[in-house]
Amino acid sequence: DIQMTQSPSFLSASVGDRVTINCKASQNINRYLNWYQQKLGEAPKLLIYNANSLQTGIPSRFSGSGSGTDFTLTISSLQPEDVATYFCLQHNSWPYTFGAGTKLELK
Amino acid sequence: QIQLVQSGPELKKPGESLKISCKASGYTFTDYAMQWVKQAPGKGLQYMGWINTQTGKPTYADDFKERFVFSLETSASTAYLQINNLKNEDTATYFCARGGRKALAYWGQGTLVTVSS
Repeated sequence: DIQMTQSPSFLSASVGDRVTINCKASQNINRYLNWYQQKLGEAPKLLIYNANSLQTGIPSRFSGSGSGTDFTLTISSLQPEDVATYFCLQHNSWPYTFGAGTKLELK
Repeated sequence: QIQLVQSGPELKKPGESLKISCKASGYTFTDYAMQWVKQAPGKGLQYMGWINTQTGKPTYADDFKERFVFSLETSASTAYLQINNLKNEDTATYFCARGGRKALAYWGQGTLVTVSS
């Protein structure tokens, strides 16, 4: 199985900060990488699909980059409503695998 | 709009079975596979597998090959997850999610399963 190593596990930032979260795949996954936001008690919400495509309805402060094994989710200017846990998902190879998550809080 | 609505929370004893439903609306049910994901309390997401909604053929990730059954009621646009011989470690929230080009783009609200004697 492809292992997804997500970092950092925990992140504290201020409103307006630029925030980056990383996922590293144990082997090449091309661009088949999604990013999700999960707020407490809710289902995950798709933010970015296929590495850099913004899902409909998601604010443009969210962006994704990368290909192959290294991927980044960037929030250009952190807002209070962005407090959540963020997960990556590789869907290049069976079985799909998730990163362990990054918990983002406000400083 | 696309919606996946799951059945309500369950409280079960070890050894019992349960069946969770996931009713889809807002799209043609058989055009997209249905995926299942487990989230244990305070933990991350674990991919369980998927079911082909055209053929009914399920495919399970290794950890879910023994007691887990995916099924369909196509006429009702509904997918099911059955868990047999429940164990304490099955305590989790289970999500259905629609497959497709974007992988898991649309998710159900989750069903909390608690297994306790």
